[in-house]
Amino acid sequence: DGGITQSPKYLFRKEGQNVTLSCEQNLNHDAMYWYRQDPGQGLRLIYYSQIVNDFQKGDIAEGYSVSREKKESFPLTVTSAQKNPTAFYLCASSIQGSDSPLHFGNGTRLTVT
Amino acid sequence: GQQLNQSPQSMFIQEGEDVSMNCTSSSIFNTWLWYKQDPGEGPVLLIALYKAGELTSNGRLTAQFGITRKDSFLNISASIPSDVGIYFCAGPDRGSTLGRLYFGRGTQLTVWP
Repeated sequence: DGGITQSPKYLFRKEGQNVTLSCEQNLNHDAMYWYRQDPGQGLRLIYYSQIVNDFQKGDIAEGYSVSREKKESFPLTVTSAQKNPTAFYLCASSIQGSDSPLHFGNGTRLTVT
Repeated sequence: GQQLNQSPQSMFIQEGEDVSMNCTSSSIFNTWLWYKQDPGEGPVLLIALYKAGELTSNGRLTAQFGITRKDSFLNISASIPSDVGIYFCAGPDRGSTLGRLYFGRGTQLTVWP
């Protein structure tokens, strides 16, 4: 079955450590995205990528970094510069095009203490 | 970025009741999407609307694309306990060739048996 896999489901880190969240898709989608979800805040876009080796900042990119070396993979690194990293992180992908619905992974809950 | 105003923020209803929620934007949208998110999971697409005035059903769910293209409605008939979750409206950025979506803040639905 095609889909988007995020791992791990739960992640715990100490403050000051960088952490990388994995996202893999086998839908052959060109575009991939990272969203952050906080209670009552909806989904906020962190980074997105239209094609391999290219990505753009979203609305809340500060303290995050990404890479897109392969079409299937779009890992997100939460750096120590991110002031409030504890959140639910969602990865998504879509066929290229402005009317394409997003397909989401099941998320990674990151807790930083 | 574009603003999507979704209401109500939360709903507490009895099983069997009908539910109605809506989403408005400050600008015109060419596509409206409705997603549902179960607790701890990623959002799943429920209904996609592509034409002003369009009324589309998916089982007990019915969604409408407003004539002004600035609003959309989602109705759930005869609610059941598994309808519990967060419902999001979303629409693409018209200025982008990419499927970048803007999301409402969500309607949290609780269904009492």
